Amino acid sequence: QKEVEQNSGPLSVPEGAIASLNCTYSDRGSQSFFWYRQYSGKSPELIMFIYSNGDKEDGRFTAQLNKASQYVSLLIRDSQPSDSATYLCAVKVPLGSGYALNFGKGTSLLVTP
Amino acid sequence: IAGITQAPTSQILAAGRRMTLRCTQDMRHNAMYWYRQDLGLGLRLIHYSNTAGTTGKGEVPDGYSVSRANTDDFPLTLASAVPSQTSVYFCASSPGGGSDTQYFGPGTRLTVL
Repeated sequence: QKEVEQNSGPLSVPEGAIASLNCTYSDRGSQSFFWYRQYSGKSPELIMFIYSNGDKEDGRFTAQLNKASQYVSLLIRDSQPSDSATYLCAVKVPLGSGYALNFGKGTSLLVTP
Repeated sequence: IAGITQAPTSQILAAGRRMTLRCTQDMRHNAMYWYRQDLGLGLRLIHYSNTAGTTGKGEVPDGYSVSRANTDDFPLTLASAVPSQTSVYFCASSPGGGSDTQYFGPGTRLTVL
């Protein structure tokens, strides 16, 4: 089983600060990476995906990918209490004739007012 | 457009009983997936289907079966439920054909006593 590792947290940041969430993966051949947010009792929802090395920005969110070091991160700028959730990193893996996502166990983020 | 629906929302089931969790999507996505999510273990793939008429086993398939008679529906059956199958079950779908993003249903909380 190819591994996707995340620090379980909780990561606590004050409101307005930058939250940095990290993920490492074991398969050097991985090409596609995803960040999902999951509120307690709810289903995962996609925040961003990234395929190329470097940064990808979407509003307050920035995904960073470094394939050489096999890590992907998510930065949340101007963190809000509503950002408090579990963040799941996922890596695309081949499965049968198609693909699946291999998920990390998630990092719990708490943004304090 | 509803996206993905799952039924029931929650269920308490006696051990040994048969149970089918329903999943329907209206996005005409080719690929569908069933996950279970347990505290500390993250999301684990049970079964998947890359296209109607085909299915495959994921990481934790034992005790579960699936069918994919058409594009929209992907039911998950527990033939004889056991307490270790107590979990939250999520159905997901993906367009396929190069788009890897998965979209999740609202989940079914299943308790086996």
